[in-house]
Amino acid sequence: DQQVKQNSPSLSVQEGRISILNCDYTNSMFDYFLWYKKYPAEGPTFLISISSIKDKNEDGRFTVFLNKSAKHLSLHIVPSQPGDSAVYFCARGLQPTGGAGGTSYGKLTFGQGTILTVHP
Amino acid sequence: GAVVSQHPSWVICKSGTSVKIECRSLDFQATTMFWYRQFPKQSLMLMATSNEGSKATYEQGVEKDKFLINHASLTLSTLTVTSAHPEDSSFYICSASRTSGSDEQFFGPGTRLTVL
Repeated sequence: DQQVKQNSPSLSVQEGRISILNCDYTNSMFDYFLWYKKYPAEGPTFLISISSIKDKNEDGRFTVFLNKSAKHLSLHIVPSQPGDSAVYFCARGLQPTGGAGGTSYGKLTFGQGTILTVHP
Repeated sequence: GAVVSQHPSWVICKSGTSVKIECRSLDFQATTMFWYRQFPKQSLMLMATSNEGSKATYEQGVEKDKFLINHASLTLSTLTVTSAHPEDSSFYICSASRTSGSDEQFFGPGTRLTVL
């Protein structure tokens, strides 16, 4: 039972344009969603997160949108840069017990990942 | 800060042998460490959660006798794949958090295991 799905295995974007990475989920009520970025031979690094009580969170070039009725979240990167080329994972975790925004806690359930390539 | 290392980064072994993978938190004490596995073109799947000094909690479908996890200190957790078979070939990633399920997870770079 795949609870977090990324249906696009890859995405190719021109430098300066917007990259939109998508993720669908099931069986969620009060969860926390995160996006991770992963380079080859490295572990995932945290990018941005959103609580299920919000519908948008923005951090610099990165914005995550959450559509609870559609059980869908997306990561927008604008403008895209060649250094953004990596594998992007969406993940679901537990609601943080303290502090606002930032990171998630506890067990993480990951999507399959989307390979983003930004061409110069 | 918050660096997690894994050793080895890749390993090739013969079927039937055991392989030990180390996960270390280099600049912080990790109360909780998580072990994930990623098959090609699939997501990272949580295998088990380990708390320092206690037995690991395994996810459904993960054989605890095959994947032995030891978290003997606040900076080191080990995953031993016993009697490895080709179907165990995968990318194994650990993560570490400072407190028990209430802090950010910092991921290691992963270990590529190939069983011949």
